Amino acid sequence: EAGVAQSPRYKIIEKRQSVAFWCNPISGHATLYWYQQILGQGPKLLIQFQNNGVVDDSQLPKDRFSAERLKGVDSTLKIQPAKLEDSAVYLCASSLWASEETQYFGPGTRLLVL
Amino acid sequence: QKEVEQDPGPLSVPEGAIVSLNCTYSNSAFQYFMWYRQYSRKGPELLMYTYSSGNKEDGRFTAQVDKSSKYISLFIRDSQPSDSATYLCAGFQGGSEKLVFGKGTKLTVNP
Repeated sequence: EAGVAQSPRYKIIEKRQSVAFWCNPISGHATLYWYQQILGQGPKLLIQFQNNGVVDDSQLPKDRFSAERLKGVDSTLKIQPAKLEDSAVYLCASSLWASEETQYFGPGTRLLVL
Repeated sequence: QKEVEQDPGPLSVPEGAIVSLNCTYSNSAFQYFMWYRQYSRKGPELLMYTYSSGNKEDGRFTAQVDKSSKYISLFIRDSQPSDSATYLCAGFQGGSEKLVFGKGTKLTVNP
């Protein structure tokens, strides 16, 4: 079974630029999550999708972050404009259903904002 | 107070040692408690989870939950250099379907 795929793996941008990350979840998984992991911290949930609908985006900084899930499969997370404090690893995870306690994580995209 | 508190370490032990990793939590509604292992530059992978209180054993790993004291533990027996990683504890609440992580403890097992 293929795991969660993410791209790019690394990205370096200057502040005020925009950036987008892509995630392809495990086939058949209805729930998709985006997490932000700052160095030395645990992952923090940004947004959760159930199929192509948003379940929880309470911790997403909506003035600069946006996310969508195309046709309930792939998802993109965008930051525009980026700030220095957005430097982090952005992790995508998926699970069969929202109530499923087991989430499978991708390798993450490491973002550095200069 | 953060929902899940975890001492970030770092923790360094010799090969073969018994390792004890601990977390405390404040959210009484958590039903599942997870331990994830994260190697450098990789995503977290689920090691094991327990439902409610009690113990769960899987090979060299034992997870314990004490809901009365809101304490979560992971024990690693006969630790190996390949166990060197960051260990993240997390709580899961079925109603909110949210996974809340601790900061993670960085473990190094020296050969």
